Order: sequence, then C-alpha cells, then structure tokens
Amino acid sequence: SQQGEEDPQALSIQEGENATMNCSYKTSINNLQWYRQNSGRGLVHLILIRSNEREKHSGRLRVTLDTSKKSSSLLITASRAADTASYFCATAPWGAQKLVFGQGTRLTINP
Amino acid sequence: DSGVTQTPKHLITATGQRVTLRCSPRSGDLSVYWYQQSLDQGLQFLIQYYNGEERAKGNILERFSAQQFPDLHSELNLSSLELGDSALYFCASSSREPLNQETQYFGPGTRLLVL
Repeated sequence: SQQGEEDPQALSIQEGENATMNCSYKTSINNLQWYRQNSGRGLVHLILIRSNEREKHSGRLRVTLDTSKKSSSLLITASRAADTASYFCATAPWGAQKLVFGQGTRLTINP
Repeated sequence: DSGVTQTPKHLITATGQRVTLRCSPRSGDLSVYWYQQSLDQGLQFLIQYYNGEERAKGNILERFSAQQFPDLHSELNLSSLELGDSALYFCASSSREPLNQETQYFGPGTRLLVL
C-alpha cells in the first residue's frame, strides 16, 4: 500500500489562481519530495524538503512540511496552463532505500 | 530531459512471453531504481541497484528480475507475462550513496501492453 496520500485526488482551477495540494504519510522520513508527471510521461523532480526543514521555496512553488502531523503541502502560485499535470509526493522513509509515492493529485488549469 | 534514457518506448507482446527493458542512468549516477506505474496500483517501487549490486527490493514479482552491468546500465526482465503486467515501467537514477536518498531523476518510461 502507498505511504503517501494526496488530497485532493483532482483539482481544477482557473489560470492565475493558486493551487494547493496536500500529502499525508505514515512513517518517519528522511525527506519528502514532490514530482510532476505530464500525461503518460516521466516524472520530473520539483522540490525536496528534509525532515528538519519546515518550508522551502522554488520559483512559484512553496512546500511545507509538518513532521508532527506527518503532512506536507505543495502550493503553486499564479498557476499557468502548463502546470496542468499530476503531482505526486514521495517519501524517503528512514533506513529504507526507496521512495514511496502517493496516488497523486490531478491538477487542471483552465485558461 | 533528465538524462536518463529508456528503451523501448513502447512494447506490445502476448501473455506468457518474456521482455527486457533497458535503462541508461545519468552520466555519473551509480544508483538505478525501477518502478511500475499502473492505474490500480499507482507508482510502485520494484528494485534498486547501486554500482552493480542489488540494494533494495520492493514489490517485485518473482517472474521479474533485474541487473546492473559494469557500465551502469540496467535491464529489467519480465517473464511469463500476464495481462496485469501491462503498465508504465520507469527507471530512475541518483548519484549518491543509497542511504542519502537524494533526488531521483526519472526516464521517460517504457509502456508495456500485454495482450
């Protein structure tokens, strides 16, 4: 079973609005990563946040991590049509040499 | 472009057959990971190799096997194929020691269809 669960499963917003996606996980982690996948294509790494970090920014992306609640959020500001994709959180559990992916959030940006 | 290459891009075969998927990691990356993405199971970690040695196993079936060669490319072998093996198979690579669990760079995937 997946460790991470994204919420919502699907999100549709207007171009220019902000999009927020959430991820919850179950075990202690080394880091948490967000990836983007355009339909049927490979995953693109967006951002990595370590367990001792609370917030990280990269361009229009803002990621927060709350290890006490075992949750993370990804905020995309000023969304563009090109942001339409599926977004996955992936956790790197302590001592495990793998990434565990959630089911993803399907984001649609309407022009 | 992540720098990870996978061949072939598409593969159509019949049940009971055997196929080999190939992955070339980014230049300098020693770790290779294989993932399976299907509609019902999502993205599942299969197996990881580091510098030619198996380092971690996930939800990999006994009918599946993999290896990493001295030039660091990797192959995933799928045998006795079943309809349910139809999926996207991704390879990813990373540069660091496995326990550092750094960013993984994904290839474009191989889409396998078993008929």
